[in-house]
Amino acid sequence: GAGVSQTPSNKVTEKGKYVELRCDPISGHTALYWYRQSLGQGPEFLIYFQGTGAADDSGLPNDRFFAVRPEGSVSTLKIQRTERGDSAVYLCASSLSQGNTIYFGEGSWLTVV
Amino acid sequence: AQSVTQPDIHITVSEGASLELRCNYSYGATPYLFWYVQSPGQGLQLLLKYFSGDTLVQGIKGFEAEFKRSQSSFNLRKPSVHWSDAAEYFCAVVVSGGYNKLIFGAGTRLAVHP
Repeated sequence: GAGVSQTPSNKVTEKGKYVELRCDPISGHTALYWYRQSLGQGPEFLIYFQGTGAADDSGLPNDRFFAVRPEGSVSTLKIQRTERGDSAVYLCASSLSQGNTIYFGEGSWLTVV
Repeated sequence: AQSVTQPDIHITVSEGASLELRCNYSYGATPYLFWYVQSPGQGLQLLLKYFSGDTLVQGIKGFEAEFKRSQSSFNLRKPSVHWSDAAEYFCAVVVSGGYNKLIFGAGTRLAVHP
């Protein structure tokens, strides 16, 4: 597709379960970002990839959160032992390279019950 | 620390009226500033951005914004609002570091009355 694609669009999981959220960036974009948007808030930075490597993971809230981008394209955000406070929209974005305009996906809405 | 403040949580205007959404930033150096719009079920869409140069920037959908360094502001304006402009609007600043690590405000929800 032409834009950033995220799956699933909605995910309901039980507290304590493991969740994976997938992001397929715009073709050719080397920079990829994950943000988290809680209800009534603006998006908050989680992690930035340049190519395959995580250049900045300073926004990950704790060690239950992890993200990978093994081939420099698709990325997966992984959340272990989910908690109710993890409920949010997880936004993925990509840009042609660092410093270029960021394009956001529609997000994955995670609800932990 | 860098931060963005959007003082108005919710604004209601009549269709055809003018609009101004406020944004104030806290950042030591010259900022890169952005306005995004988020409609239900859609991703964040870039309206406009300011990097340098002319302090009045034009964006898509008839929006414009003015950078005022003395007031640390980057307010978004539109002369005549359409019902389809109802959405949430986010102001953001880029944290220095060579890449687009955006710091967002909490957003302003715009409602448009017919």
